[in-house]
Amino acid sequence: GDSVTQMEGPVTLSEEAFLTINCTYTATGYPSLFWYVQYPGEGLQLLLKATKADDKGSNKGFEATYRKETTSFHLEKGSVQVSDSAVYFCALVASYNQGGKLIFGQGTELSVKP
Amino acid sequence: DAGVIQSPRHEVTEMGQEVTLRCKPISGHDYLFWYRQTMMRGLELLIYFNNNVPIDDSGMPEDRFSAKMPNASFSTLKIQPSEPRDSAVYFCASSLGRRGEGEQYFGPGTRLTVT
Repeated sequence: GDSVTQMEGPVTLSEEAFLTINCTYTATGYPSLFWYVQYPGEGLQLLLKATKADDKGSNKGFEATYRKETTSFHLEKGSVQVSDSAVYFCALVASYNQGGKLIFGQGTELSVKP
Repeated sequence: DAGVIQSPRHEVTEMGQEVTLRCKPISGHDYLFWYRQTMMRGLELLIYFNNNVPIDDSGMPEDRFSAKMPNASFSTLKIQPSEPRDSAVYFCASSLGRRGEGEQYFGPGTRLTVT
């Protein structure tokens, strides 16, 4: 079945460091890909998305490119801030899926130190 | 818009009691999802509705759990009887059909503690 695998956390970085969180997926067809972020004590929020191969999603300085050849959707940010500390979830919606049922990865916790 | 509204935000109850969690989706959204999040199991989809009709309840852990959506603006998740292993944060999310596929808006969650 469809699945998403993320790099294990926690990831601890210093402020202004470069961030990469790896995400790979297994899916039938051509899924849409998403990154969600969960700040402490809150629900998940959509961070960015990409709906077809080679699309780049971007928001708040974060970027991820849909790579069909490597079935990956790695999240990157050039310079992290303390306020980026959160749990990040990679997710997909299968192309055949009705209603947008999301398949989530296990989440990667990011901690940014001043 | 106020976003997805959940109540209560915190619930503490004793084992064996009935618990009802409530959700008001964003107006106009036609899909509603219930999730459970724990440290051990991560984020799990329990059930989702389309136009108030349950589409997939394969994630509901057992018969003690039930969910209803009597109208487009209200849904409940009920646990009866509750058990300590039901302690978790329960999220409700809504989305706008095919155009918003995958773009789910989450509520703040209900933190349930069963003692």
